[in-house]
Formats: sequence, structure tokens, C-alpha cells
Amino acid sequence: DGGITQSPKYLFRKEGQNVTLSCEQNLNHDAMYWYRQDPGQGLRLIYYSQIVNDFQKGDIAEGYSVSREKKESFPLTVTSAQKNPTAFYLCASSPAQGVTGELFFGEGSRLTVL
Amino acid sequence: KNEVEQSPQNLTAQEGEFITINCSYSVGISALHWLQQHPGGGIVSLFMLSSGKKKHGRLIATINIQEKHSSLHITASHPRDSAVYICAAGGGSNYKLTFGKGTLLTVNP
Repeated sequence: DGGITQSPKYLFRKEGQNVTLSCEQNLNHDAMYWYRQDPGQGLRLIYYSQIVNDFQKGDIAEGYSVSREKKESFPLTVTSAQKNPTAFYLCASSPAQGVTGELFFGEGSRLTVL
Repeated sequence: KNEVEQSPQNLTAQEGEFITINCSYSVGISALHWLQQHPGGGIVSLFMLSSGKKKHGRLIATINIQEKHSSLHITASHPRDSAVYICAAGGGSNYKLTFGKGTLLTVNP
């Protein structure tokens, strides 16, 4: 079945460690997004990519990095520079550019810093 | 900056009731999305609309561009409709959607 797969579902990290969250899609979508969700807040955009080998910072990119070497894959690295990384992370893709494309989400990855 | 406000924050209903969730935004937009998030965390897109009204099964979404307001209606609500409903708005060539904080709906049998 077509869809977006995020892994791991749960991840625990010690302070000072970098961790990478995986996002893979087989929907043949060009646009991919990473969002962060915190309790009581709306989703916030971390990074987005419109095409392979290109990506742009979102509203809260500090302490995060991404790559887009393949159309299907858009991994997110949470670096030690991210001061408050404990959150729920959602990856999404869209068949259209801009805000008018339907969004397809993964099941999310919950990161906890110990 | 586009602000998106949802109301109510929490809503409890009895099975079979008609549900309305509201979404207001502050600037002109190209698209308004309604999303559903289940307790496990996964999010499903329900509607994307830029004008008028859309219907899918028991769900209806409307938007009034002049009033900068959208509503999501659920007819004959069912316990499986219990979820967080999220509104998101975006405009022009900006790739950024602004998301509301969500409405937690609980439908009791």
C-alpha cells in the first residue's frame, strides 16, 4: 500500500546526542515536510523540501538538519543544539507544491530526552 | 502573520448529535485544510478547500472567504469520530500552513 512510513515510533535520547528520524514515502510525491507538535500548540514547520537535493528552513529549523538525496526519503536529524527536543515529530508529503496540495502524514515519532 | 483560531477547544457529544467545529483565520488564504488526529498520533487529511462546501460521508466542510471562517460539521456523530480535529490555513505561493491548536472531540455512546 502507498503511504508514508516514519521510524522509530518511540525514541529516547540522552542529552548531547544527535538522533535521526526516518521518513520514507512511496507516493511519488515531490513535496515533503517535517512538523513538530507540542502539547497545546499547533503543528510547526521545521523543514520542507519541494524537490530532490533541495530543502528550505521552516519556522523552527534551529537545532535540526535534513537531507533529500532521494525522492522517497527525507530524514530529520535532531542535533544536540536543539535545546528542547522532546516532542512529537510528524513527516508529511504532498502531490502538489504550495499550500493547495492534500497532505499525507506518517504515524509520527515521539522523541523523549532523558 | 496568519493566525488560526479554533473553537471550541474541547467538545463532548452524545452519539447521534450534530457537531460543529469552527475555524477563523486572519489573512487572505489560498487553501484551508481540515485534518483528523487519532489518539495514536497519526493525522489524516479530511478536506482541502478554497471556496464553498465539500462533503464526504457524514462530514461536511464549508468556508466563507469574506468572513475568513470555516466550519467542519459531523452529522449523526459516532464514538469512532472521537479525535482531535485540526484546521490549517495557507496563502499564495507560501509553502507554510499555519495550524490551529485543534479541537478535542469526544463522542459518548
